[in-house]
Amino acid sequence: KNQVEQSPQSLIILEGKNCTLQCNYTVSPFSNLRWYKQDTGRGPVSLTIMTFSENTKSNGRYTATLDADTKQSSLHITASQLSDSASYICVVSPFSGSARQLTFGSGTQLTVLP
Amino acid sequence: DAGITQSPRYKITETGRQVTLMCHQTWSHSYMFWYRQDLGHGLRLIYYSAAADITDKGEVPDGYVVSRSKTENFPLTLESATRSQTSVYFCASSLAGAYNEQFFGPGTRLTVL
Repeated sequence: KNQVEQSPQSLIILEGKNCTLQCNYTVSPFSNLRWYKQDTGRGPVSLTIMTFSENTKSNGRYTATLDADTKQSSLHITASQLSDSASYICVVSPFSGSARQLTFGSGTQLTVLP
Repeated sequence: DAGITQSPRYKITETGRQVTLMCHQTWSHSYMFWYRQDLGHGLRLIYYSAAADITDKGEVPDGYVVSRSKTENFPLTLESATRSQTSVYFCASSLAGAYNEQFFGPGTRLTVL
C-alpha cells in the first residue's frame, strides 16, 4: 500500500527562525509531489509542486527539495512569520494518474510564536 | 469569482438521519472530489468524479452516496448517519485527475450525535 509519512507531527518555533519539514513516501513510480498549506478552519492550498526530475522548487520563503532515489522530500521555511502557523501536507501523485491512488500525508502542524 | 463553495459549513445531526453536503464550483473543472479529515488520518478520499455522470469510489466510500448530474455540483449524501461519520468534509476540484492541483472548499464540520 502506498504511504506518505510526515515528520515531525508538530513543531513550535519562534518568529524569524527557519524550519524544515520532512516527507517520506513509498509511492512508486510517482508523477509529482505537492506540498499544501492548510490554515486552521480552511481547506488546503497548494504551495509547490515537484515532478520526479526536479530537485528544488521555491515559492517565496518556502523551498521544497526532492530526492527521488531515497523517496524523501523536505519543505524549508525561511524567516518564519506568524502567518506560517498551519498544517503542511505532503501529497504524492502516482504515475498512473489514478485519482484513487493520490496519497496524502497526515501533515505537520507548525506553530510560530512571537 | 466564488471558486469552490460548500454548504452547510456546520451541521449537527442524529444517528440514522439522512444528510446531504453540497459542493459547487465555478471553474468548470472536470474532476471533483470528496474527502474526510480526521485527527491522525489526514485526508481520505471518499468518492471522486471525472465528469458529469461519472463517479468512482475512493478509499472510504461505505455509508456515502454521490451524484453528479451537472459539472459544477457534486453533492455527498450520508444515507443513514453514524457517529463514526463525525468529521470535517472537504470538497475539491481540479482540471484533470491526480496530476493537477486540487482546489479545496472551506469544509463542512459534521457532528453526528
